[in-house]
Amino acid sequence: DGGITQSPKYLFRKEGQNVTLSCEQNLNHDAMYWYRQDPGQGLRLIYYSQIVNDFQKGDIAEGYSVSREKKESFPLTVTSAQKNPTAFYLCASSPRRGMNTEAFFGQGTRLTVV
Amino acid sequence: AQSVTQPDIHITVSEGASLELRCNYSYGATPYLFWYVQSPGQGLQLLLKYFSGDTLVQGIKGFEAEFKRSQSSFNLRKPSVHWSDAAEYFCAVGPGISNFGNEKLTFGTGTRLTIIP
Repeated sequence: DGGITQSPKYLFRKEGQNVTLSCEQNLNHDAMYWYRQDPGQGLRLIYYSQIVNDFQKGDIAEGYSVSREKKESFPLTVTSAQKNPTAFYLCASSPRRGMNTEAFFGQGTRLTVV
Repeated sequence: AQSVTQPDIHITVSEGASLELRCNYSYGATPYLFWYVQSPGQGLQLLLKYFSGDTLVQGIKGFEAEFKRSQSSFNLRKPSVHWSDAAEYFCAVGPGISNFGNEKLTFGTGTRLTIIP
């Protein structure tokens, strides 16, 4: 089945450590996105990529990094510089730039700093 | 910059009653508009979308929404809710065709829907 796979579903990190969240899609979508979700704040855009080897900062990129070496993969690294990383992280993709289309979401990764 | 406001944080309705969730947006041109639903601990599922044309759009699970340009609104409605509709609902705005190459979705803060028997 086609879709977006995020792994792991739950992730625990010690303070001061970097951690990488995986996002893979087999929908042949050009654009991919990372959102952070906190209670009462909706979804906030961290990074997005509209094409391989290119990505742009979203509204809350500080303390995060991404790469887009392959069309199907868009991993997110939460670095030790992110002051409050505990949150629910959602990855999404959409088919083509500028087309009438919506974003498709993965099932999310819940990151907890211990 | 585009923005979305969902003024109701939490709504409680009785099963079988009608529902309206409010969404107001701010955008300089004609936007793309979406409603998504999220069950606890899950990703988001698209309910419906508006790109152009008929301002009343039908979605899945019996939901509909009406785009009102004069009010900058895109309210979600359902004539009769079911217990399974309990979830969080998010309105989102995209840049529309006039802003090609700068696509990103901006979400509202969500409305949590509780259904009582």
